[in-house]
Amino acid sequence: KAGVTQTPRYLIKTRGQQVTLSCSPISGHRSVSWYQQTPGQGLQFLFEYFSETQRNKGNFPGRFSGRQFSNSRSEMNVSTLELGDSALYLCASSRTSPYTDTQYFGPGTRLTVL
Amino acid sequence: AQRVTQPEKLLSVFKGAPVELKCNYSYSGSPELFWYVQYSRQRLQLLLRHISRESIKGFTADLNKGETSFHLKKPFAQEEDSAMYYCALSGHSGGSNYKLTFGKGTLLTVNP
Repeated sequence: KAGVTQTPRYLIKTRGQQVTLSCSPISGHRSVSWYQQTPGQGLQFLFEYFSETQRNKGNFPGRFSGRQFSNSRSEMNVSTLELGDSALYLCASSRTSPYTDTQYFGPGTRLTVL
Repeated sequence: AQRVTQPEKLLSVFKGAPVELKCNYSYSGSPELFWYVQYSRQRLQLLLRHISRESIKGFTADLNKGETSFHLKKPFAQEEDSAMYYCALSGHSGGSNYKLTFGKGTLLTVNP
């Protein structure tokens, strides 16, 4: 079956702009998690959605938000971009929970903020 | 607060040698621990989780609650084991609430 897909794969934005990233989970998976990966901080958990509801949230400012649609596809939005938001953003899906089920990761979206 | 520490950023061994990637954690409750692996130009993927107690690609990891460690071991390293390895902890706070915390990763290089 098809894996987790993320679009776009690369993005270049300038400070102050906003950006929306998209994630399509594996068919049948209802949980979608988002992570930020940077050389300095490593992999950090942003949030997790299940059945269109944010179920868990990491320690990121309110500029980072997300949503999930009825087909389990998820979007992540970052407003008022800062240079420090430059990172690889990873999406992962699991059947019901990354706590009990295997998480499958997407290829990531590389965001560069100039 | 939960924290995962992988003390080695880089680890280099020769093919056929034993390998141990260290992971220490800090968590007050009963953790769920994982090892993830990312091979060159591939996606991050789950290698193993402690509750399943399985051996994947010859790797095993034992949870030592006394030492709060979850080291990943393989008796005979292979060149194809060269990859970035991440230890992760999921703190279960009841119901479906959790927080997944990753270590900074260890880059393993297996030399021929």
